[in-house]
Order: sequence, then structure tokens, then C-alpha cells
Amino acid sequence: AQSVAQPEDQVNVAEGNPLTVKCTYSVSGNPYLFWYVQYPNRGLQFLLKYITGDNLVKGSYGFEAEFNKSQTSFHLKKPSALVSDSALYFCAVRAAGYSSASKIIFGSGTRLSIRP
Amino acid sequence: DTGVSQDPRHKITKRGQNVTFRCDPISEHNRLYWYRQTLGQGPEFLTYFQNEAQLEKSRLLSDRFSAERPKGSFSTLEIQRTEQGDSAMYLCASSLAIRGITYNEQFFGPGTRLTVL
Repeated sequence: AQSVAQPEDQVNVAEGNPLTVKCTYSVSGNPYLFWYVQYPNRGLQFLLKYITGDNLVKGSYGFEAEFNKSQTSFHLKKPSALVSDSALYFCAVRAAGYSSASKIIFGSGTRLSIRP
Repeated sequence: DTGVSQDPRHKITKRGQNVTFRCDPISEHNRLYWYRQTLGQGPEFLTYFQNEAQLEKSRLLSDRFSAERPKGSFSTLEIQRTEQGDSAMYLCASSLAIRGITYNEQFFGPGTRLTVL
């Protein structure tokens, strides 16, 4: 069965400092991995994805994520946090392949708070 | 705006009433998904369509829930005899799936917030 764990409910970072939001996953076979961000009263916005290839993927708003197969992790990172990055972040996974179950499993979310 | 749209954005209803939500996906997308999100949780998969065919349903989707996508474009999600536990944000997403092409991400609509009194 697929699962995603986001071990931190909240991450607090000072503006200008690097940030990391952690995610580990479990899936049969190769994973497709995603990060989404949710601002208050809005739907989820896609940030980035890992399908195959380079382990470091770059996405929107200066975010990047590193796929680590041996640790089954896909942590979200940003070198310098902005106050506007404050939001709820979701990691998600699905099994690779066109014929695989198409549903995405989401983690429980991590609230990122950037203080000025 | 050519993104995913959902209607209504908010719905307040009394327990026992039926409600119907609509989702209009991105026009060229052939897959459409419904999720439910409760406060403090990530979205939970309910069901998805490829064109007009409903290919998968979650065990979360009780008999009171039904979804349709009759012409492979917009979709409706109906909840019959609503219960207070149905109160949640209902999210719709769409994606383009083509065999042999790298998986494309899902694009989400703004959601319909349901409150059952």
C-alpha cells in the first residue's frame, strides 16, 4: 500500500534562512512524487514533481526537492525563505506507470511559518 | 482563466438534504479526480474518471455518494441524505494522461466547502 509521512506538523524559519520540509514515502515499485502548496481558502497549487532522472528537481517559487531512493525521502528545500512562503505544504506519491492506480496519496501536511 | 473551476464555492445544508457539486476541468484534460479534505488533513482520494468512465472509487465513497462525468467534460458529485460528518472541503482535480508519456501532475480547483448543520 502507498503511504506518505510528513513528520513535522509545523516548521518555523526566519526569513532569509534555508528551509527544509520533510517527506518520506512507501510505494510498490518506482514512485512518482509531488509537492503541493495550499494557501488559506484556496485549492492546492503544484510546486514540483519527481518522475525519473536527476534526483534534484527544481520547481516554482525557488523551491527544490531531493529524491533519495535509499532513504525513501523527498524533502522540500529552499535556500532563502520568504514571508510569502508561509502556507501549508503537502507531499504526495503514486506508483509509477500508466496502468497503475491513478490515485495520489497525500501526506497530512506541514505548516510552514516564516517570521520576518 | 483556463484552470479547474468548481461550483458552488460554499454550501450550507441541513442534515438529510441532498447536495450536488460541479467541477469543470481544464478542457484538454481526460482525467478528473474528486478528493475530500478535512481540517488539518491532506486530501483523501474519492474517485476518478478517465473521459466518461469512472475507473476507481475509494472505500470512503459510501452509497450516499455518486459521481458522474456524462460527456467526459464536467463532472458532478452528489451526496444524498447528508450527515454532519460529510462537512469538508471537496476538491476536484484534472490531468492529462497519455500512454507512454511522462505522468502529468494534477491541477486542482478551489474546492467546494460543505457545511452540514
